[in-house]
Amino acid sequence: EAQVTQNPRYLITVTGKKLTVTCSQNMNHEYMSWYRQDPGLGLRQIYYSMNVEVTDKGDVPEGYKVSRKEKRNFPLILESPSPNQTSLYFCASSAFGEINYGYTFGSGTRLTVV
Amino acid sequence: DQQVKQNSPSLSVQEGRISILNCDYTNSMFDYFLWYKKYPAEGPTFLISISSIKDKNEDGRFTVFLNKSAKHLSLHIVPSQPGDSAVYFCAASLNSGNTPLVFGKGTRLSVIA
Repeated sequence: EAQVTQNPRYLITVTGKKLTVTCSQNMNHEYMSWYRQDPGLGLRQIYYSMNVEVTDKGDVPEGYKVSRKEKRNFPLILESPSPNQTSLYFCASSAFGEINYGYTFGSGTRLTVV
Repeated sequence: DQQVKQNSPSLSVQEGRISILNCDYTNSMFDYFLWYKKYPAEGPTFLISISSIKDKNEDGRFTVFLNKSAKHLSLHIVPSQPGDSAVYFCAASLNSGNTPLVFGKGTRLSVIA
């Protein structure tokens, strides 16, 4: 089954404790991206990657890092999480030239930083 | 500055009636528009799209209309069903998707039985 898999689904952590949210897709998509969803703010892009070893900042990259060492994986790293990073996070992937099919999103990771 | 705007945070419609969700955009270079549907505790799922060279695209109960001169698109759901209750996001693309999608803030649709 074609899918984007995020782990974990839920995470509660303390301020300053480094964490990684994993994202993996099995569709050989070139494009991958991370979004956060907050009430009243919709989906805001954090980082995106057009291909292996190519990453770029989205609208709200502060406090986040990403890496794209392999085509299928695009982990989101919070080096020193803070309470304002409490949010619902989504990973998405897409193939170039297939925008008419849209992005495929993961099921989300709900992160709480206390 | 928001390039894609959904000015109605919420909408309530009776079952069987038409739901109309609206979206405005500011960048005339957008060439593809998409609608996503999101249920609680799930990721957004692609619903329907339209290219800027068209003014209408239909898929079953869902129709998207594009008015380029007004920089406005709308999603019509006819007839509305309780299972359509979800948050709907409008998104726009430059370069046929080779740059990141820009999303609106979403509209929560409630279909009342």
